[in-house]
Amino acid sequence: KAGVTQTPRYLIKTRGQQVTLSCSPISGHRSVSWYQQTPGQGLQFLFEYFSETQRNKGNFPGRFSGRQFSNSRSEMNVSTLELGDSALYLCASSPGTGGSWTGELFFGEGSRLTVL
Amino acid sequence: DQQVKQNSPSLSVQEGRISILNCDYTNSMFDYFLWYKKYPAEGPTFLISISSIKDKNEDGRFTVFLNKSAKHLSLHIVPSQPGDSAVYFCAARDSGGYQKVTFGTGTKLQVIP
Repeated sequence: KAGVTQTPRYLIKTRGQQVTLSCSPISGHRSVSWYQQTPGQGLQFLFEYFSETQRNKGNFPGRFSGRQFSNSRSEMNVSTLELGDSALYLCASSPGTGGSWTGELFFGEGSRLTVL
Repeated sequence: DQQVKQNSPSLSVQEGRISILNCDYTNSMFDYFLWYKKYPAEGPTFLISISSIKDKNEDGRFTVFLNKSAKHLSLHIVPSQPGDSAVYFCAARDSGGYQKVTFGTGTKLQVIP
């Protein structure tokens, strides 16, 4: 089955602009999580959505927001971009329910954001 | 507050030898621990996991050991192969956080032919 698809793969923005990233999960997966990867910081959790509701949120400022649609596709938005927002943004999907889930996430290839 | 820590940013190992990657955690609510592998320009892929009620899980060349009293886990790769060169992330599932998974900072493994 098709994997997690993220668009765009690469983008360049300037400070103060805003950006929207998109993620299509694996078919049948209802949970979508977003992570930010920067050198030395690993993967930092942004938020997780299930059935159009945000269930978990990481320690990021309110400039970072997201949403999930009824078809489980998700978008994240970063407003008023800062130089420090330059990073690889990764989306991951998982079934979303079921006590047997052990933590396995399926990641997309990421969206590389550069802020100038 | 880094709840999952990987203190070694990089590791070099000769082909055929053992690679040992280490990870420490602080949150007692973690109930599953996982290792992911990441190649450049790709997303992380799941490698192996272990439940907090076990102390060892093995899958082919990969073995994960968990020392719950020390809040420490390690990944052993035997024998190491050049294709294993990648960044390895330790991760943990929070039993109280729906589907929240916390990752470490990663260890870049280089296997030298």
